[in-house]
Amino acid sequence: DGGITQSPKYLFRKEGQNVTLSCEQNLNHDAMYWYRQDPGQGLRLIYYSQIVNDFQKGDIAEGYSVSREKKESFPLTVTSAQKNPTAFYLCASRMGKLTDTQYFGPGTRLTVL
Amino acid sequence: SQQGEEDPQALSIQEGENATMNCSYKTSINNLQWYRQNSGRGLVHLILIRSNEREKHSGRLRVTLDTSKKSSSLLITASRAADTASYFCATYPNMRFGAGTRLTVKP
Repeated sequence: DGGITQSPKYLFRKEGQNVTLSCEQNLNHDAMYWYRQDPGQGLRLIYYSQIVNDFQKGDIAEGYSVSREKKESFPLTVTSAQKNPTAFYLCASRMGKLTDTQYFGPGTRLTVL
Repeated sequence: SQQGEEDPQALSIQEGENATMNCSYKTSINNLQWYRQNSGRGLVHLILIRSNEREKHSGRLRVTLDTSKKSSSLLITASRAADTASYFCATYPNMRFGAGTRLTVKP
């Protein structure tokens, strides 16, 4: 099956710990994105990457870090510097110049205790 | 900052009725897209309308775009209980989403 996967679906961490959320796609898409969604809210862009080994900050990058070492993978690290990390995190990918449609993963719900 | 802003925030209708949601945005766009999200899930792309288009149809969906007013509307005709979800607009190339409209369709 082609698609975009995120793991795990639920994640619990203690305050002060860094945690890495996984995002993998086998769609051969060039661009990948990370969004944060709080209850009853829209999506806010954290980071995005248009090509391997390159990424840009979105609107709320503080306290987060990413890497794009492989085309199919775009992990997000939520660091201890993120003051309110409990949220639903969504990863998306886009083919590139041919289309602007984004394909979303199922999301990871992070709860910091 | 958020780009698209949908209204109403919540909409409750009976099965068979039409549902209309609106989206306003602030900057120039290449296209505008509508997505659907079931509770606790990822978003699913519904329809894309380009900046040089005024109306587009896809099944029971009808989207309009008014670039002079920087607004778009999504109409779902003959709604079904399965249409219950949150609907978001997103503007490109900004890749920004609004807060969404929560649609409830009562059987």
